[in-house]
Amino acid sequence: DAKTTQPTSMDCAEGRAANLPCNHSTISGNEYVYWYRQIHSQGPQYIIHGLKNNETNEMASLIITEDRKSSTLILPHATLRDTAVYYCIGAGANAGKSTFGDGTTLTVKP
Amino acid sequence: NAGVTQTPKFQVLKTGQSMTLQCAQDMNHEYMSWYRQDPGMGLRLIHYSVGAGITDQGEVPNGYNVSRSTTEDFPLRLLSAAPSQTSVYFCASSYSTGGYNEQFFGPGTRLTVL
Repeated sequence: DAKTTQPTSMDCAEGRAANLPCNHSTISGNEYVYWYRQIHSQGPQYIIHGLKNNETNEMASLIITEDRKSSTLILPHATLRDTAVYYCIGAGANAGKSTFGDGTTLTVKP
Repeated sequence: NAGVTQTPKFQVLKTGQSMTLQCAQDMNHEYMSWYRQDPGMGLRLIHYSVGAGITDQGEVPNGYNVSRSTTEDFPLRLLSAAPSQTSVYFCASSYSTGGYNEQFFGPGTRLTVL
């Protein structure tokens, strides 16, 4: 699996967009970029994934650079409930052997 | 569907004791994994399985055993508990569809070893 690098922490104002960066320069061509988040001490929750193209779902958008060496998770209108640890992972066909780093702690402030 | 279930939710052991953490999923997922999460840290992979009868080691396998006799169940055994194994343990499952798969996580088991 690709090694990923994320900032340790970020703050965001409620209602503003939260942009969380991730570097994955060692990602291989068949590895997807996944994003998960973990609220308090609950089990991580899947947010979104992508291979080459930008992706959007009801929770977030994922922007992947053309060289695939980095990506950005965008929460368009952050709420207090989005305060969590966000993990970026690069993984191939068996995401079950994924390596999670320490993630980014996002704090959404009123 | 119940998703991924883990039992017990909390457990306190004494050093040297053994126990089994249970994990079950009802989604017919091929892949299952065990992670541990120490305070303030990310998740580290202990063992994983790509199907019944097939298991492999992750980053931190020492002190733990697994087996996968059925698709649904993936128990984690602590052979001789040590204080360093105090952690939160998460089980996850996923399916394979064309090269990508999202993982579904259980609620975790909080283990304290005295």
